[in-house]
Amino acid sequence: EPEVTQTPSHQVTQMGQEVILRCVPISNHLYFYWYRQILGQKVEFLVSFYNNEISEKSEIFDDQFSVERPDGSNFTLKIRSTKLEDSAMYFCASSEALRDYGYTFGSGTRLTVV
Amino acid sequence: SQKIEQNSEALNIQEGKTATLTCNYTNYSPAYLQWYRQDPGRGPVFLLLIRENEKEKRKERLKVTFDTTLKQSLFHITASQPADSATYLCALDSSNAGNNRKLIWGLGTSLGVNP
Repeated sequence: EPEVTQTPSHQVTQMGQEVILRCVPISNHLYFYWYRQILGQKVEFLVSFYNNEISEKSEIFDDQFSVERPDGSNFTLKIRSTKLEDSAMYFCASSEALRDYGYTFGSGTRLTVV
Repeated sequence: SQKIEQNSEALNIQEGKTATLTCNYTNYSPAYLQWYRQDPGRGPVFLLLIRENEKEKRKERLKVTFDTTLKQSLFHITASQPADSATYLCALDSSNAGNNRKLIWGLGTSLGVNP
């Protein structure tokens, strides 16, 4: 069964530092997403990405966040200057088509900002 | 504002019984509704998707209903097994005519199946 792979599984960083979370979506999927889940809270949408550009982003996805698909396989989320409140599980997901298909999620990166 | 509510209390049932989980929503008209399973420390795993014009969908021991008038979806697991113990998440899918698509999630219901 194809998988979405995320690295690292756990990242600890100092407040104010930059972090890059990496994802390898399923190869024939066209739509890519980042979601996050603060411990004990709902999963929250961050950004969707299609055809090498952002389709939609949430209010959470401010200027400190950026996404890239640098080489046609990897999909990255960068947080420029981390804050304590950025501590969460970050999930990458991909889907084969825009409609009628569920998402395949990765196992997540647990980001801890200290 | 949009709101999704799932049973906040954990549901514990005996093995072999049917589990029924509820998802209610307000101020929203989703094109689709999806159900996922999430185990501790893991990403959500897709289970079923149901369209706004479908009343019911089945997959093996799983059944989902979708009532757009009541703004409610029910998720059933028949012949439950201890391995079904997990948190089950309901998500509203905002697919529209453009390339925008995002899921809006409920908090989830924790299901425990006792042997």
